[in-house]
Amino acid sequence: GQQLNQSPQSMFIQEGEDVSMNCTSSSIFNTWLWYKQDPGEGPVLLIALYKAGELTSNGRLTAQFGITRKDSFLNISASIPSDVGIYFCAGPWAGTASKLTFGTGTRLQVTL
Amino acid sequence: EPEVTQTPSHQVTQMGQEVILRCVPISNHLYFYWYRQILGQKVEFLVSFYNNEISEKSEIFDDQFSVERPDGSNFTLKIRSTKLEDSAMYFCASTTRGVYEQFFGPGTRLTVL
Repeated sequence: GQQLNQSPQSMFIQEGEDVSMNCTSSSIFNTWLWYKQDPGEGPVLLIALYKAGELTSNGRLTAQFGITRKDSFLNISASIPSDVGIYFCAGPWAGTASKLTFGTGTRLQVTL
Repeated sequence: EPEVTQTPSHQVTQMGQEVILRCVPISNHLYFYWYRQILGQKVEFLVSFYNNEISEKSEIFDDQFSVERPDGSNFTLKIRSTKLEDSAMYFCASTTRGVYEQFFGPGTRLTVL
């Protein structure tokens, strides 16, 4: 079936380090969303991207809509302990009204 | 800041029983969704609802599932006869624009024994 693949699957970093993760698809997306999920909680929307090549920031987070429209990237600068969680990319497949397909997730762990 | 709320936070039921999961979407939102997440897996779409009818549903959303907006504030998901494999976190989401920036509730953990 259709799938959004995220890499890396998990990462351990030290506090203060920068983080990069990406999301790839076999099909074109017109919108990319990035969510963060804390354990036992619902996904929280971080950034929404609507145009190929778009670069959008939210505090220490920066996301980019890949120019091929088949990928997206999320960077976190100067990580802190509360960045721990699972980061999901999501988007609507072409031809669907508004249902979101979620990626496989990147689990981020931060050590002091 | 307005948020989506869900009740109960945890529901334990016996296989074959009916459950109703409740959600209060953000008040000016018009589009409502249910998703589920089996432990350790990604979030999966179940159903979307707009203008008092289902607009899309996934293969998971079979005849055992139904949704309803019984009044101006609540949005419910009913599972008629629960199976063991229905055990998961169920998330309600809503959006005002009818596009893609969906806001999620904290979830209901459903455990079917």
